[in-house]
Amino acid sequence: GESVGLHLPTLSVQEGDNSIINCAYSNSASDYFIWYKQESGKGPQFIIDIRSNMDKRQGQRVTVLLNKTVKHLSLQIAATQPGDSAVYFCAENRSAGGTSYGKLTFGQGTILTVHP
Amino acid sequence: DSGVTQTPKHLITATGQRVTLRCSPRSGDLSVYWYQQSLDQGLQFLIQYYNGEERAKGNILERFSAQQFPDLHSELNLSSLELGDSALYFCASSVAPRQGLSGANVLTFGAGSRLTVL
Repeated sequence: GESVGLHLPTLSVQEGDNSIINCAYSNSASDYFIWYKQESGKGPQFIIDIRSNMDKRQGQRVTVLLNKTVKHLSLQIAATQPGDSAVYFCAENRSAGGTSYGKLTFGQGTILTVHP
Repeated sequence: DSGVTQTPKHLITATGQRVTLRCSPRSGDLSVYWYQQSLDQGLQFLIQYYNGEERAKGNILERFSAQQFPDLHSELNLSSLELGDSALYFCASSVAPRQGLSGANVLTFGAGSRLTVL
């Protein structure tokens, strides 16, 4: 049958505003979460990560919040700039017992557009 | 420049053909990952290698195969290509095989290889 493209959520903000991008994850066994930014024509770029034993982590202009009760992750960007315009992905790592592996499961992404 | 090098950047081929995508990981990284990004499926994990050995397998078709060589570069082979295989193929690398151990082990992605199957 005919395939349908993903309809990504979009967020449009003015330069200088704060942005909040949300992500829901499905597996309560996930113990590590990452936010990636993907600009047009480029590969995903690491922004910030958080482990499941934390509920908040701050970086430069970015904060990640983790709510394990409702399996929700958010990325807050302070003083958003036009250069922040990109697609933002959350990703989770599902540990499997004692086996070491690095598979990340990515969310569908959110398109952030920052208007000057 | 992320330090992860992927070639070719663009590739156009016909259905039924076979292609090889190449990846050189960031210097010092031992683990290589392949991801497929398509319009309808998003970013999908295909396979992971660590120091030459397969470590994890995701939604990789039997028509696809990969390997990591002693110099740590990796190749993804796609055969009997179909229209639906058209996608961006990303390679990523990390120091260690398991994520979450420290910030130094996050995946660093290359710029991708865009495959178009006509």
